Amino acid sequence: NAGVTQTPKFQVLKTGQSMTLQCAQDMNHNSMYWYRQDPGMGLRLIYYSASEGTTDKGEVPNGYNVSRLNKREFSLRLESAAPSQTSVYFCASNTMDYNEQFFGPGTRLTVL
Amino acid sequence: RKEVEQDPGPFNVPEGATVAFNCTYSNSASQSFFWYRQDCRKEPKLLMSVYSSGNEDGRFTAQLNRASQYISLLIRDSKLSDSATYLCVVNEGYNFNKFYFGSGTKLNVKP
Repeated sequence: NAGVTQTPKFQVLKTGQSMTLQCAQDMNHNSMYWYRQDPGMGLRLIYYSASEGTTDKGEVPNGYNVSRLNKREFSLRLESAAPSQTSVYFCASNTMDYNEQFFGPGTRLTVL
Repeated sequence: RKEVEQDPGPFNVPEGATVAFNCTYSNSASQSFFWYRQDCRKEPKLLMSVYSSGNEDGRFTAQLNRASQYISLLIRDSKLSDSATYLCVVNEGYNFNKFYFGSGTKLNVKP
């Protein structure tokens, strides 16, 4: 099992550009998450999806959109990138009993 | 007010020392509690869940105090390999799908 995979690993954007971060899990988990991590701020939830076909806002959803394409895949889109979105983005999925989240390796995004 | 608060540290301890971290949470309805470990520039990984009765896994002991709304992690006989950031995680009340992470406590174990 690959676990949780994310692409790309690194990305540099200019202000106003758009991009989609991809995430996939092969553990048959229902719940998937997108977090951002900034220095001194810990991980903050952007959006989550409790099951295929549903998505909900987290703490910091502004400026982002998500798509739960199927049970395996959960993508995060930045429509018009801003420097404040410079961060490390982690995708995660949760076991059925909600007892453990598995994280992808992260995407390091810089917006100039 | 943050949902989960931790002392950022760093805690600098010698090998073999015992070190304890605390974490406080604001939602009294929270049901699930965890400690995650994060190495530098890596993804977080589950260290242990925290149960009401307390639980132990080798050198690691976790305790939950619901009345005071805090969680603790005790590491005995610290190893160099324990150097990392420890994240306290709490779910949102009765929503088992949503989690709040503390900003982490950094531990440096020195030879």
